[in-house]
Amino acid sequence: KAGVTQTPRYLIKTRGQQVTLSCSPISGHRSVSWYQQTPGQGLQFLFEYFSETQRNKGNFPGRFSGRQFSNSRSEMNVSTLELGDSALYLCASIGAGGGEQFFGPGTRLTVL
Amino acid sequence: GQNIDQPTEMTATEGAIVQINCTYQTSGFNGLFWYQQHAGEAPTFLSYNVLDGLEEKGRFSSFLSRSKGYSYLLLKELQMKDSASYLCAFDTGGFKTIFGAGTRLFVKA
Repeated sequence: KAGVTQTPRYLIKTRGQQVTLSCSPISGHRSVSWYQQTPGQGLQFLFEYFSETQRNKGNFPGRFSGRQFSNSRSEMNVSTLELGDSALYLCASIGAGGGEQFFGPGTRLTVL
Repeated sequence: GQNIDQPTEMTATEGAIVQINCTYQTSGFNGLFWYQQHAGEAPTFLSYNVLDGLEEKGRFSSFLSRSKGYSYLLLKELQMKDSASYLCAFDTGGFKTIFGAGTRLFVKA
């Protein structure tokens, strides 16, 4: 069974631009969560989607948004990029039984 | 509020035993996770404790006390490859997982 995939793996943007990151969960998994990871801060929860519905979100500004498609693939978008948005963005999928989250390799975003 | 604390760094010797502690505060709680993350890689699942007590899985064991808001990860017979960050996280029960900042473990020869 293929794991969680994320594209692109690396991205360099400049301040003020916007970016869209993609995540494909493990086949059959319908729940996808997104996290931002920065040194010293650990993983910060962004949002969770299930069957195209956002069920919870973290404490991030409205510039951060996401969506999920009918095939469970998810995207997150960050508009008006700031230097502080430079981070590793991870997505994770969860199976029907809940519990363990399977993480993708992440997208490393650098904002210049 | 919700918060979770774990030591920033620990150092241990190859072949030894190390215990990584984690304390948390939350109103909603379903269970406690431990993940391992090597530098430059994604976190990988180690354990999930729902009930109080110790769960053993090979060289790794995890303990949970819900009443004390406390967990620990015990690593036995340390190997150099165990050098990594160990992330403690709790499931809030509201489709949200809160992670600690992680404990960087250095295993020396």
